[in-house]
Amino acid sequence: GAVVSQHPSWVICKSGTSVKIECRSLDFQATTMFWYRQFPKQSLMLMATSNEGSKATYEQGVEKDKFLINHASLTLSTLTVTSAHPEDSSFYICSAPGQGSGNTIYFGEGSWLTVV
Amino acid sequence: RKEVEQDPGPFNVPEGATVAFNCTYSNSASQSFFWYRQDCRKEPKLLMSVYSSGNEDGRFTAQLNRASQYISLLIRDSKLSDSATYLCVVFTGGSYIPTFGRGTSLIVHP
Repeated sequence: GAVVSQHPSWVICKSGTSVKIECRSLDFQATTMFWYRQFPKQSLMLMATSNEGSKATYEQGVEKDKFLINHASLTLSTLTVTSAHPEDSSFYICSAPGQGSGNTIYFGEGSWLTVV
Repeated sequence: RKEVEQDPGPFNVPEGATVAFNCTYSNSASQSFFWYRQDCRKEPKLLMSVYSSGNEDGRFTAQLNRASQYISLLIRDSKLSDSATYLCVVFTGGSYIPTFGRGTSLIVHP
């Protein structure tokens, strides 16, 4: 079946540096992908909707200049956390809607970011 | 009021117990409902869809009550491996963007 691959699975970076997370659809084309952030014991919070070939749509309160999203192809969306701070440490996960009806959600494996 | 609310728990139950979770949603235009399971530090995985007529899959039963705007998940004969967080997921109207509850934590102990 369809698979969404996300990497890195976990990353540790220093404050002030940038980190890029990739999300790939492996056997289908995803014109739309979603990026979520999840803090411990919290729900998945939608950060932005990534649209192939156009600008991402950010949710209220999410800084678009800090969380750069690029969706240059139908199989790849990237999230770059710029000038990372310890409070950006979280679980970041992407997803793509399934093909056809049924509201299927294909999740990437998620990326644990720790900023030290 | 949050769009989708769940009791975060944790629900701490012995093996073999029956446990039930509820999830309430605020938007009456909500149309599709699902339960997902999320293990620690992993991505959520689909457990089951929820229909008005109810849906049963082995030890798991899901129900939808549109009048009261809640869905439920019943787990019978709990196993240790059922320990996880259970997420309620709701799609509203024609949107393909899901809304997630914060999840209910289940701990099944020997």
